[in-house]
Amino acid sequence: QKEVEQDPGPLSVPEGAIVSLNCTYSNSAFQYFMWYRQYSRKGPELLMYTYSSGNKEDGRFTAQVDKSSKYISLFIRDSQPSDSATYLCAMSGYGGSQGNLIFGKGTKLSVKP
Amino acid sequence: DTGVSQDPRHKITKRGQNVTFRCDPISEHNRLYWYRQTLGQGPEFLTYFQNEAQLEKSRLLSDRFSAERPKGSFSTLEIQRTEQGDSAMYLCATLDRPDAIGYTFGSGTRLTVV
Repeated sequence: QKEVEQDPGPLSVPEGAIVSLNCTYSNSAFQYFMWYRQYSRKGPELLMYTYSSGNKEDGRFTAQVDKSSKYISLFIRDSQPSDSATYLCAMSGYGGSQGNLIFGKGTKLSVKP
Repeated sequence: DTGVSQDPRHKITKRGQNVTFRCDPISEHNRLYWYRQTLGQGPEFLTYFQNEAQLEKSRLLSDRFSAERPKGSFSTLEIQRTEQGDSAMYLCATLDRPDAIGYTFGSGTRLTVV
């Protein structure tokens, strides 16, 4: 079993839909949970991060962490074609500088106009 | 533009040849990381530097791989005697301060070994 599991999709939704992206993990030492967005032929860019359990909202994006279930989610409201990208979850046991990140495989999202 | 520059963007090489990639970080970022991403996978950690010191290396970094960061500025990643399995995107990432969360990635160097 890999440390971080993420359904690679692809996931296709109509414009305006609510998108739910998820990852599960096995290492209970993970404390920092991040979501990156990666456009084709580009490096990943940080969308959001959460420390420990709880929710965090930023505009149309909401990140949730449930440490008891070892499950994290990213919700995108009112999805736009420009949201079409691969979404990667990433985790570490420390702050980003003190440990390397463990990434999921990424979920490829396509938002159709 | 993320501010982290990688060169070249794409490299095609024959098996057995040596290749070198370069990463120019955002100038004040003292932590620099190398990751490798194969098709359909997330990035995997290779190594990282605090200024010029290489502090950690992954088991993925075989003895054919070497990374340097002279004077704590740009970094190079060299692969000797390339193999087809080395074909991947090589990503450089930086952190602006030790307690920062989340990297700034470059656009990567895509290596194709034929």
